[in-house]
Amino acid sequence: GNSVTQMEGPVTLSEEAFLTINCTYTATGYPSLFWYVQYPGEGLQLLLKATKADDKGSNKGFEATYRKETTSFHLEKGSVQVSDSAVYFCALSDQSYGQNFVFGPGTRLSVLP
Amino acid sequence: DAMVIQNPRYQVTQFGKPVTLSCSQTLNHNVMYWYQQKSSQAPKLLFHYYDKDFNNEADTPDNFQSRRPNTSFCFLDIRSPGLGDAAMYLCATSRDHDNEQFFGPGTRLTVL
Repeated sequence: GNSVTQMEGPVTLSEEAFLTINCTYTATGYPSLFWYVQYPGEGLQLLLKATKADDKGSNKGFEATYRKETTSFHLEKGSVQVSDSAVYFCALSDQSYGQNFVFGPGTRLSVLP
Repeated sequence: DAMVIQNPRYQVTQFGKPVTLSCSQTLNHNVMYWYQQKSSQAPKLLFHYYDKDFNNEADTPDNFQSRRPNTSFCFLDIRSPGLGDAAMYLCATSRDHDNEQFFGPGTRLTVL
């Protein structure tokens, strides 16, 4: 079945450091890919998405490019802030497989001042 | 603003005492989902409704039930909560199955 793998956390960075959170997926069809962010005590918020190969999703300084050849959707940000501290979930939706969302395990990011 | 609302935000119940969590949406989305999220884990899908069609995940315990009386509301009923059911319960909606999901803030359930 479909699956999503993320780099294990926690990830701890200093403010203004460069961020990469790796995400790879396995899917039988042509999934849409998503990054969600969860701040402490809150629900998940959609951060960005890409629906086809080579699409780049971007929002709030975060970017991720849908790479079909490497089945990856890595999240990047050039300069993180303390307010970016949260848990980040990579997810896919593959309607051709008749399956709903599949979430990765999440990566906790802590940004230190 | 269109949104997904969950009530209450915090719920305390006793072992074995039935509890109902509610979710409402103003997005007019077709699909509504219930997830269970335990500490430091990804959300786990319990079931979802596509309009009035109910879809249960294979490993969702019978202790968990759901109702969707209309497009806007969906309820999660836990018939006999156990200590292992303490978790954050997240409601989400999507326009269709392959669209992004919009999440509510969650209800944190404590079982004493």
